Amino acid sequence: EVQLVESGGGLVQPGGSLKLSCTASGFTFNSHEINWVRQAPGKGLEWVSYTRSSGATIYYADSVKGRFTISRDTARNSLYLQMNRLRAEDTAVYYCARQSAGSYYPSFDYWGQGTLVTVSS
Amino acid sequence: SVLTQPPSVSAAPGQNVTISCAGSSSNIGKNYVSWYQQLPGTAPKLLIYDNIKRPSGIPDRFSGSESGTSATLGITGLQTGDEADYYCGTWDSSLSAVVFGGGTKLTVL
Repeated sequence: EVQLVESGGGLVQPGGSLKLSCTASGFTFNSHEINWVRQAPGKGLEWVSYTRSSGATIYYADSVKGRFTISRDTARNSLYLQMNRLRAEDTAVYYCARQSAGSYYPSFDYWGQGTLVTVSS
Repeated sequence: SVLTQPPSVSAAPGQNVTISCAGSSSNIGKNYVSWYQQLPGTAPKLLIYDNIKRPSGIPDRFSGSESGTSATLGITGLQTGDEADYYCGTWDSSLSAVVFGGGTKLTVL
C-alpha cells in the first residue's frame, strides 16, 4: 500500500525555522517525483516545491524561494522541506504529494495526511 | 489565483454539473490539467489527470475536457457524497510553477 507520512509540523515564531519530513512506503521512491503542497486554514491549495527523483531539478513557488529548501534522502525513502525565516502567511497544512509515473506533470496520485505548521508569536 | 474557478456550484441529487477552470496560453494553453476532490477534513484526491484520464477507482461519472485555455470537470448523476471542494491544477511555463485554481465548493442540494 502506498503511503506518505508527513511529520515535523508545529508552532514556531515568526522568523524561526522548521524542518518537515515526508516518509514514503509501498512504492519505489526513486521512481517518482515528490512535491510539497500547502493549504492555509480555510483557503485553497498552493504548490510549494518539487524535486525530480534524481534531485537534479528543483522548483519553488515564488512565495518561498530563498527561504525554503527541498531535499530527498533515497536511503531513508524520505523527502524534506527546510523552512527558514518563517512568516505568518506560511501557516498552513503541508502535504507531500507523489507525481504519478508516466503521467504529465502535475498529476498527484497520492497525498499524505498533512502536517500543520503555525507561525505565530 | 492564476487559474479561475467559480467559487461555488450547486445542483440536486441525480443532476449533472460542470466546473470550469480558466487559464491562459502559458498554463492550460500548453500543459495538461489535473483535477482534485477534497472532502472536508481530508487530503485532496486525484480525480482527473492528463486533461481527460481517470485513475483506477474513479467512477466514470467524473469526466474532464479541455479546450484552448480552459478546462472543465463534469460530474453526472450527482450524489450527496460528491459534496466537496474541487481544484484544477496545471504547470505554468512562464512561472515555472504548478498553479491551482482557487477551488469550487460543490453543494448537492
